[in-house]
Amino acid sequence: EAGVTQFPSHSVIEKGQTVTLRCDPISGHDNLYWYRRVMGKEIKFLLHFVKESKQDESGMPNNRFLAERTGGTYSTLKVQPAELEDSGVYFCASSQDRSGASYGYTFGSGTRLTVV
Amino acid sequence: GNSVTQMEGPVTLSEEAFLTINCTYTATGYPSLFWYVQYPGEGLQLLLKATKADDKGSNKGFEATYRKETTSFHLEKGSVQVSDSAVYFCALITDSWGKLQFGAGTQVVVTP
Repeated sequence: EAGVTQFPSHSVIEKGQTVTLRCDPISGHDNLYWYRRVMGKEIKFLLHFVKESKQDESGMPNNRFLAERTGGTYSTLKVQPAELEDSGVYFCASSQDRSGASYGYTFGSGTRLTVV
Repeated sequence: GNSVTQMEGPVTLSEEAFLTINCTYTATGYPSLFWYVQYPGEGLQLLLKATKADDKGSNKGFEATYRKETTSFHLEKGSVQVSDSAVYFCALITDSWGKLQFGAGTQVVVTP
């Protein structure tokens, strides 16, 4: 089966611009998660979709970040306007069951975002 | 709140050396514990897991035991290979929706 696909793999944008990251989960996985790793620190949770609904968005840093999952398939994460501190690696993961503890997650390769 | 603390890297060692990466946690309740690995240019992969106290997770020669009394989940491998060079992340889940809490990651570099 195809894995979790993220693109672009790398994006360099100027401060103030807009960037949209995309994640295609494994087909049939209702649960989709976004995480990010900033400046070599710990990977932090951003939000969790169950199908097209936001189950938990407690990790979203501020209202410059907007995540969508129309139709419960792929998801987008838009940053508008981007700031320097948004630089990092954004990971997407999907899972078949909601806990992730039973079957684990499948992560994408990540999108490396650099804001200059 | 919940947190995961793991030893800082990079850890550099020679092939066939013994590897230990320390991981301790603070959490409410009884978390499930995980080690994830990120090889260069790839995504995060589940390496092993343990869901209750005294469980031992193992995979690819790596092992980690869930120690509730010391709130630890240290990763070990008896004889590393160059192909084990990667970043290793300790993580836990406490909520029923599967939100992962990660440590900062430990880069491991294995030289021939």
